[in-house]
Amino acid sequence: QLQLQESGPGLVKPSETLSLTCTVSGGSISSSSYYWGWIRQPPGKGLEWIGSIYYSGSTYNNPSLKSRVTISVDTSKNQFSLKLSSVTAADTAVYYCARHVYYYDTSGYYYPDYWGQGTLVTVSS
Amino acid sequence: DIQMTQSPSSLSASVGDRVTITCQASQDISNYLNWYQQKPGKAPKLLIYDASNLETGVPSRFSGSGSGTDFTFTISSLQPEDIGTYYCQQDDNLRLTFGGGTKVEIK
Repeated sequence: QLQLQESGPGLVKPSETLSLTCTVSGGSISSSSYYWGWIRQPPGKGLEWIGSIYYSGSTYNNPSLKSRVTISVDTSKNQFSLKLSSVTAADTAVYYCARHVYYYDTSGYYYPDYWGQGTLVTVSS
Repeated sequence: DIQMTQSPSSLSASVGDRVTITCQASQDISNYLNWYQQKPGKAPKLLIYDASNLETGVPSRFSGSGSGTDFTFTISSLQPEDIGTYYCQQDDNLRLTFGGGTKVEIK
């Protein structure tokens, strides 16, 4: 049974860098059928996709987050990670990691199917 | 960027009622539209993928339809366990956006 588990600090100070890791168990992060991504949800609000990574290191990010996002993968540990720099209170959210089913039709396409339970990160001094 | 307009933002219906949620894309997205259910304090759960395909293990009272820019999600007979928030989601060149969500309550 595939499981994804987020880990990292629950409290980050403004202007610092938020760092989270997602550990994948019950499946290989090196599968060619999947991307691996991050999605967040501010308290009481909707879902915002942050970005994704392929096992090869290819990434896609949400343009609204500009250059603040770095996503990396460690296939030896079956983990992928998120770094979000220069955080503000607006970055306070539950952060989910999720597997993205990937296939190629006329172009590449994917969607999240398995999600981690989520971890709340609060930005506050 | 492709924008997703989901409506209504909330609804209240009786057990057994047919419930319909719509999602409109700002441009043609073919059938690259998925639907999720989120219960309070839980991660979203995939219900429908590629506009109309039921994810394995999801009850058949859930269904989806549409293509291009207009999509519909239906619960044929609302059950108490269906309360939660429902989101549509689209893929634009491997960059995802979600609709604003529809909160479903029991009347």
